[in-house]
Amino acid sequence: EPEVTQTPSHQVTQMGQEVILRCVPISNHLYFYWYRQILGQKVEFLVSFYNNEISEKSEIFDDQFSVERPDGSNFTLKIRSTKLEDSAMYFCASSRSRRVGTEAFFGQGTRLTVV
Amino acid sequence: AQRVTQPEKLLSVFKGAPVELKCNYSYSGSPELFWYVQYSRQRLQLLLRHISRESIKGFTADLNKGETSFHLKKPFAQEEDSAMYYCALSGYTGTASKLTFGTGTRLQVTL
Repeated sequence: EPEVTQTPSHQVTQMGQEVILRCVPISNHLYFYWYRQILGQKVEFLVSFYNNEISEKSEIFDDQFSVERPDGSNFTLKIRSTKLEDSAMYFCASSRSRRVGTEAFFGQGTRLTVV
Repeated sequence: AQRVTQPEKLLSVFKGAPVELKCNYSYSGSPELFWYVQYSRQRLQLLLRHISRESIKGFTADLNKGETSFHLKKPFAQEEDSAMYYCALSGYTGTASKLTFGTGTRLQVTL
């Protein structure tokens, strides 16, 4: 069964450094998302991406964040200058469409620790 | 604004006992509701969605618009049901892709 894969599974970075989280969505999916979950809190929507541009973003997704689909298979989330509060589990997801009721398939997550 | 509330952080039941995981939502339009499950060390996966009116692994959930609820139920809990359960809402504003999650309820089924 096809899966969304994320790398790395755990990333430790120093405050102020740039990080890139990588995701390979399911191959015939067209819509891609990033969510994050700070420890003990709810899973929060960050951004959705379709046709090589952002469809929607939350207020969390400020200028420090960017997304890219550089080569037709990878989907990346870049945090330009990490802060301690960026420490969280980051989930990538993809879906075939954005029709109502469409299932989003999630990756296993990347745990980002900013020290 | 859309919001999902799961009032219980932990629900502990005995094997064979009925289960009800509560979910209430707030949304001005016509929402689509989902239950996602996360088993230990596994990824989030869809359990069921209200639009399909399906029963998966013995679980059902009925959307009650009057009470703005989408509680997840199972008549007889099994050990393998132990997991984290998240209720999620997708608001149909033309951007149905965005999911708003509740804080989750950990279901613990004991012998």
